[in-house]
Order: sequence, then C-alpha cells, then structure tokens
Amino acid sequence: DAGVIQSPRHEVTEMGQEVTLRCKPISGHNSLFWYRQTMMRGLELLIYFNNNVPIDDSGMPEDRFSAKMPNASFSTLKIQPSEPRDSAVYFCASSLERGDEQFFGPGTRLTVL
Amino acid sequence: SQQGEEDPQALSIQEGENATMNCSYKTSINNLQWYRQNSGRGLVHLILIRSNEREKHSGRLRVTLDTSKKSSSLLITASRAADTASYFCATESRGADGLTFGKGTHLIIQP
Repeated sequence: DAGVIQSPRHEVTEMGQEVTLRCKPISGHNSLFWYRQTMMRGLELLIYFNNNVPIDDSGMPEDRFSAKMPNASFSTLKIQPSEPRDSAVYFCASSLERGDEQFFGPGTRLTVL
Repeated sequence: SQQGEEDPQALSIQEGENATMNCSYKTSINNLQWYRQNSGRGLVHLILIRSNEREKHSGRLRVTLDTSKKSSSLLITASRAADTASYFCATESRGADGLTFGKGTHLIIQP
C-alpha cells in the first residue's frame, strides 16, 4: 500500500483565495483525521470522520474551514477565504478503527501571503 | 486544550546513550501512543500502550504507563544518530474522538 497520500505537498496562495487540500487514506481504514501543525500551537485535531461521516469537527477553527469525505477513499479540507494565520502544515491520517494507531500522510505545507 | 505534555522540550545526548522522554496528561485515557516526526515529514507511529498495560517493548523502545500519575515515559536504548527527531505522545481520551498530541520532545543524538 502506498500509505496515506496528500496533495499538494506545498501550496502558496494569497489572502482571500480558496485553498483545497486532498487526502487519500489507506484502503480499508475506517477512520480519517485532519490535523494542523504550527510552531505555536503544535499538532491540533481539526476534524475526524468515521465511515465517511464527520463525527467531531469541534477542532475546526471557524466557518472558513470545511471538510468532506464523499467516499471511503477521498477527503478534502477547504479553506475559503484563506488568511495568513492559516499558514501551517496540514496532515491527514487514517486508522483501521478509532483508537488504533494512526498512519500519517506527508502533509501539505500551506503558506498564505 | 493540551492533553499530553512532553518533558523535556529538547534533549541532546551522545550516540550510544539512552534517551528518556516523559509525557503527562490530564484526563482518563483508553490508550497512549508515541510518534516520531523527522524534520519536514509526517508522524510515524512507534508504539501504543493501553490503559490496562504498564509496560511495553518494541525493539530498542520501552514505554511505561502509570495511570495513577497520569504519566508515561519513552526510553530509547543505545541511541543512534538516526534517532534524531521530535517525539510526541498522544492520548485517546475516554469519550473523545481522535488523538490529542503534546508539543513534543526534540531529541538530538550527537555522533
């Protein structure tokens, strides 16, 4: 298996633009997680899906952030409009079931100018 | 809110020495996990210890869990330069979803 796949690996955009991050979890994994990592705040859970259904989105910073999982093999995290403070590395992770070890993708480094 | 807090924040030792990192947390947990992150990379799972376990080994790694003190330690024996990385503890709390990560210990192994 190729592991968790994320795209793009790097994204540079201007304030106000829409940003879409993509994730393909490991086949057969039922849980998918989106995290954000910054120096100041560390690694934060944004949202968690189980069997394609959003279970906990309490970590989503504000309404500018939205996430979808239309099927078991694809998820998106969208920021609209983006702001400079959204600059961070965004990780997607998947696990077989909730509570199991999580497998992380390589991350998307987002820079909002 | 921060659940796991690693200690120390940074650790520098000589190759061949043992490295010990500690993690404290606040709420009741189902399990505690340790992850490694190399610079610019995603996190890699190292070991998972459940709340009813006290010690677990995996190769040169040894993890302990003390639920009465709400703390865990990660010991890396006979360290190697390739062990240089940031190490995070993450807890799965009862009644919560997902993992809550600490801010990590940055470990440097001097050759």
